[in-house]
Amino acid sequence: NAGVMQNPRHLVRRRGQEARLRCSPMKGHSHVYWYRQLPEEGLKFMVYLQKENIIDESGMPKERFSAEFPKEGPSILRIQQVVRGDSAAYFCASSPPFSEQYFGPGTRLTVT
Amino acid sequence: AQTVTQSQPEMSVQEAETVTLSCTYDTSESDYYLFWYKQPPSRQMILVIRQEAYKQQNATENRFSVNFQKAAKSFSLKISDSQLGDAAMYFCAYRSYYNNNDMRFGAGTRLTVKP
Repeated sequence: NAGVMQNPRHLVRRRGQEARLRCSPMKGHSHVYWYRQLPEEGLKFMVYLQKENIIDESGMPKERFSAEFPKEGPSILRIQQVVRGDSAAYFCASSPPFSEQYFGPGTRLTVT
Repeated sequence: AQTVTQSQPEMSVQEAETVTLSCTYDTSESDYYLFWYKQPPSRQMILVIRQEAYKQQNATENRFSVNFQKAAKSFSLKISDSQLGDAAMYFCAYRSYYNNNDMRFGAGTRLTVKP
């Protein structure tokens, strides 16, 4: 059983471009979570999704950020018109209902 | 709102010695989970140990053990016989028992292991 997969592992974007981060949950997991980690800080919750539904997006910035978890395929975290402050590590976790969250290896986004 | 505090930004320990990392949290809930995660330079988040709040017995995983004091809302991690591979950032985390997505992390403690 493969773990949570995230790609790309590293992503470089210029200011104003779009960033798309992908997360494939573990097999059998229907819940996906996205977290952001700024340098020297802990993980901060962004959004919680189940298949085709956003359950809690209270940690998402109001603008430029969106997330989806379609019926087929990976979960996508999309950041439009990136700015330098978006540079961070973005982690995805997945879980079965009401159980342990398993983390992916993260995507490091660098905005130049 | 639940908050998690790690008051030690950095700690160091001599190889083969024991070190304790501190964590306190604030919550009004009676049922919850507490975790310690390790983040090595690879940045992968690795679950070290987990504690259910309703269990009085402290969790143990090989060289890792916790001191869970529910009344004091304290959850420290003890690493015995420290190894060079233990060097990493360690994050304490709280998760609500009833709200699966409500997971809060502390700011982390960077552990250095000296040979």
